[in-house]
Amino acid sequence: DIQMTQSPASLSASLGETVSIECLASEDIYSNLAWYQQKPGKSPQLLIYYASSLQDGVPSRFSGSESGTQYSLEINSLQPEDEGDYFCQQSYKFPPTFGAGTKLELK
Amino acid sequence: QVQLKESGPGLVQPSQTLSLTCTVSGFSLTSYSVHWVRQHSGKSLEWMGRMWSDGDTSYNSAFTSRLSISRDTSKSQVFLKMNSLQTEDTGTYYCARNFNYGSYWYFDFWGPGTMVTVSS
Repeated sequence: DIQMTQSPASLSASLGETVSIECLASEDIYSNLAWYQQKPGKSPQLLIYYASSLQDGVPSRFSGSESGTQYSLEINSLQPEDEGDYFCQQSYKFPPTFGAGTKLELK
Repeated sequence: QVQLKESGPGLVQPSQTLSLTCTVSGFSLTSYSVHWVRQHSGKSLEWMGRMWSDGDTSYNSAFTSRLSISRDTSKSQVFLKMNSLQTEDTGTYYCARNFNYGSYWYFDFWGPGTMVTVSS
């Protein structure tokens, strides 16, 4: 299975700051990557698919990028509602696999 | 609007069988696939299996032969059955709709999840 190594495991940032979360794939996944946000006690929500395409209704302060097998989620101008867990997921090879998650807390 | 909702027993004894139901609305099971994903309390997500829109199924080999997914399209329900449960199967089980974007496996709508505890 493709391993998705996600970092950092947790981060703390202030309102208005910009943060970045990374996922490193164990092999080339050719942009087949999604990002999900999971708020406490809720189910995951799709933010970005195909590495950089924004899902309908997701604020434009969320963006995705890639460099080789490294994928990044950037959140600009942090808002209180951005607090939660973030996961990456590859969909290039069967079975789909997820990163271990990043917990984002606001200071 | 699109909705999915999981239901099932909250507590299952070790070695017993887990049966869960995912009831969907706002879309047809003959047009969209539905996946099962579970999450341990330590937050990692694990894909379990998929009911395709044509009735075919795919499974994560991590569950070998103890997982079965079926459906009843007339009731808009997808079922998960997993036998030989162990304590490590404790977690929250989600059903999620496949995002129809090319042939990719993304999940655009999720149910609220149902918590399953395996304990005697």
